[in-house]
Amino acid sequence: GEDVEQSLFLSVREGDSSVINCTYTDSSSTYLYWYKQEPGAGLQLLTYIFSNMDMKQDQRLTVLLNKKDKHLSLRIADTQTGDSAIYFCAEIGFSGGYNKLIFGAGTRLAVHP
Amino acid sequence: DSGVTQTPKHLITATGQRVTLRCSPRSGDLSVYWYQQSLDQGLQFLIQYYNGEERAKGNILERFSAQQFPDLHSELNLSSLELGDSALYFCASSVRDRGFEQYFGPGTRLTVT
Repeated sequence: GEDVEQSLFLSVREGDSSVINCTYTDSSSTYLYWYKQEPGAGLQLLTYIFSNMDMKQDQRLTVLLNKKDKHLSLRIADTQTGDSAIYFCAEIGFSGGYNKLIFGAGTRLAVHP
Repeated sequence: DSGVTQTPKHLITATGQRVTLRCSPRSGDLSVYWYQQSLDQGLQFLIQYYNGEERAKGNILERFSAQQFPDLHSELNLSSLELGDSALYFCASSVRDRGFEQYFGPGTRLTVT
């Protein structure tokens, strides 16, 4: 089946690193994504990783992929108050001859001083 | 700003009514996707159009329909509205039909009273 799971809430202090975790079930997923949703806004594509990679770094963001355990994580270095948002993990699922994004429930990141 | 526009931003209507949500994809993108975000169901894929043709259907109710016009904008029609249809409706676009990079609009918040 298709399922993406994330913890629902994470609280960190400003300046610390945040790590948001995600597990997925579709081993055939070719791409895995992290989206950010700020209050009242749409989803912003933060980064994505191809399934044959273990790690991808983009400025303060580091994505780690453990394909064996079907585990994806997003590390935000030097977390700022502007990083407070809901972060969605998503995988590409192939079903019925087409690709579709399957989202987790989202992790609400709260950054406090 | 993703380049995807959606109108209206907010919509309040009564049960049994019909509404139309509109989406303009990023310049150059041929694929449009519709998603529903609700508290109980999370983010769910509804339907995809590619260059004017329906490409894929997800968890879309029979009361809902969509189309993509020659200028590539898309409309999502919701009819016989029920209280449970209250949600955020997002449109996303991508260049090709595989949907590996999807960019989301700001969403339309529908409230059915």
